[in-house]
Amino acid sequence: DTEVTQTPKHLVMGMTNKKSLKCEQHMGHRAMYWYKQKAKKPPELMFVYSYEKLSINESVPSRFSPECPNSSLLNLHLHALQPEDSALYLCASSQDPGLVTDTQYFGPGTRLTVL
Amino acid sequence: GEDVEQSLFLSVREGDSSVINCTYTDSSSTYLYWYKQEPGAGLQLLTYIFSNMDMKQDQRLTVLLNKKDKHLSLRIADTQTGDSAIYFCAERRGNNRLAFGKGNQVVVIP
Repeated sequence: DTEVTQTPKHLVMGMTNKKSLKCEQHMGHRAMYWYKQKAKKPPELMFVYSYEKLSINESVPSRFSPECPNSSLLNLHLHALQPEDSALYLCASSQDPGLVTDTQYFGPGTRLTVL
Repeated sequence: GEDVEQSLFLSVREGDSSVINCTYTDSSSTYLYWYKQEPGAGLQLLTYIFSNMDMKQDQRLTVLLNKKDKHLSLRIADTQTGDSAIYFCAERRGNNRLAFGKGNQVVVIP
């Protein structure tokens, strides 16, 4: 089983709203990732959690706040977003980023529209 | 880091072979990946190859690696309409970051 699940599938929010994206995996992976993908572009890395600790923040604006409550769950809290933040948000997980053979598996994404 | 390069668009007839190309940059040993993304979906891992290998075959998929030129290709045999998608190559870099190519859109004509 190499399944990463994400909810919701679609989300429309106003610029003053607070919402959260959720990601879950039950593969025993110890690294989880958030990516942002604009149309017809490759994914861009936002955050990496390794063993439930934030290990990489790619200078993401503070209106995006990640949280890793446990090794299976990853959240992305959204507040005061801008229309240009509209994108597909992808979650990924991998077994252990320290392994040479480590491979990232992606979820289906959440399509976010900010009005 | 330097870019991972891909050509952008390929049109192929159903039943023919498709070849998608990618140029990577890292000179050290690393893993190289092919991901498939169908419209509105996430990235599906298709296959991967270690940079010291020449070739890997997995059913209809063949990955070829030219280490001298740092050129990676993905051949899809007997292309089906379900193969219509964007294909991303990716190179594993430090801290397990993935450097993605710009993606290659494959359109299969019935």
